[in-house]
Amino acid sequence: ETGVTQSPTHLIKTRGQQVTLRCSSQSGHNTVSWYQQALGQGPQFIFQYYREEENGRGNFPPRFSGLQFPNYSSELNVNALELDDSALYLCASSLSTSLGETQYFGPGTRLLVL
Amino acid sequence: EDQVTQSPEALRLQEGESSSLNCSYTVSGLRGLFWYRQDPGKGPEFLFTLYSAGEEKEKERLKATLTKKESFLHITAPKPEDSATYLCAVQAETPLVFGKGTRLSVIA
Repeated sequence: ETGVTQSPTHLIKTRGQQVTLRCSSQSGHNTVSWYQQALGQGPQFIFQYYREEENGRGNFPPRFSGLQFPNYSSELNVNALELDDSALYLCASSLSTSLGETQYFGPGTRLLVL
Repeated sequence: EDQVTQSPEALRLQEGESSSLNCSYTVSGLRGLFWYRQDPGKGPEFLFTLYSAGEEKEKERLKATLTKKESFLHITAPKPEDSATYLCAVQAETPLVFGKGTRLSVIA
């Protein structure tokens, strides 16, 4: 087990609603990255937070937003949910933002949008 | 644009039948290549990080190798508990870029 936890484990929402997903990073890690994984695909980078600041963003619209707190836990918020947002959302923590740094993943939150 | 292609998409092996999974990549300035194992509905579990061509790492029945254009994950005498999806990811001047994975089934 990595020590990275995510909540909730599963979530069902309807189109147009908003959702907040939470992540607690591994002890000692100050960097959190969020990924979206559709069925049968590899994870896709959403954004990364380092010491409460956004440190990079993938090709996702602004309705995907995030926060990192002083204890390095993090939230992913998605507004105006669309059917295509149905996926496994993964949080990964690492010791730093250094390139080549290993990222350790949590168990994920399965989101279903109806 | 960084790209990662994994092959085969799916692999079915008999218990004890060794094989290799391939990860081909196109990046400008590789900083790290990562292998993860993912069980259905769960988060990826870290296996290996490789940093430079010629590097090899081993863990139990798994051995990862790296060249300038591809990486191999060799599985020696697999057991049914090795059944999972194996993901490869690369990092250059960008966040992790993942392949689609190879779905491995090991039959007793």
